[in-house]
Amino acid sequence: QQQVKQSPQSLIVQKGGISIINCAYENTAFDYFPWYQQFPGKGPALLIAIRPDVSEKKEGRFTISFNKSAKQFSLHIMDSQPGDSATYFCAPMVRGYQKVTFGTGTKLQVIP
Amino acid sequence: GAVVSQHPSWVICKSGTSVKIECRSLDFQATTMFWYRQFPKQSLMLMATSNEGSKATYEQGVEKDKFLINHASLTLSTLTVTSAHPEDSSFYICSAPSRGAGNTLETQYFGPGTRLLVL
Repeated sequence: QQQVKQSPQSLIVQKGGISIINCAYENTAFDYFPWYQQFPGKGPALLIAIRPDVSEKKEGRFTISFNKSAKQFSLHIMDSQPGDSATYFCAPMVRGYQKVTFGTGTKLQVIP
Repeated sequence: GAVVSQHPSWVICKSGTSVKIECRSLDFQATTMFWYRQFPKQSLMLMATSNEGSKATYEQGVEKDKFLINHASLTLSTLTVTSAHPEDSSFYICSAPSRGAGNTLETQYFGPGTRLLVL
């Protein structure tokens, strides 16, 4: 599997702050870039995703920024809340190929 | 959104026994499902691709005789851990892809996971 690297491994943010998680990939064939959120003891759930024809996508407090030339995309969580405390995975893929390559994961803790 | 269920949610078994885990797509059909394994504080590792009506495709390093996969219908895939040992204890998660615009497979919908503990 192609490597997908996330940074940081863990992140502590105060309530109301901005959480930023980065994902770097190698496979230039990837054409769909989702972020998944996983709470302890649960399966991952799609949070937000972007296609490479746009550089940014915003849904509520969550924004994806995509840099095709750098082969990186990031997740920004604005006004972070304690309920956002979870592990986040980037999982780029080739649409139609179905297989997902999960990043290494980032554990986010939002403190009151 | 689409819903994927897993059963059981957790199971404890003795070493040497076999355990079957079911994965169901509740409101959509899935010709393909995926099985993952996740160790504590680690990422999801793809074990195999389950294909309805044909043999599963296993990732490198995954023993096909130990992890038997059967995709019995368009809504059900099962993973059987045969002769389980303590090192098989893990969190097993299945997923099924949905079709987006242009009929391409994009979003993966994940089951809630099954925690297996082998004593």
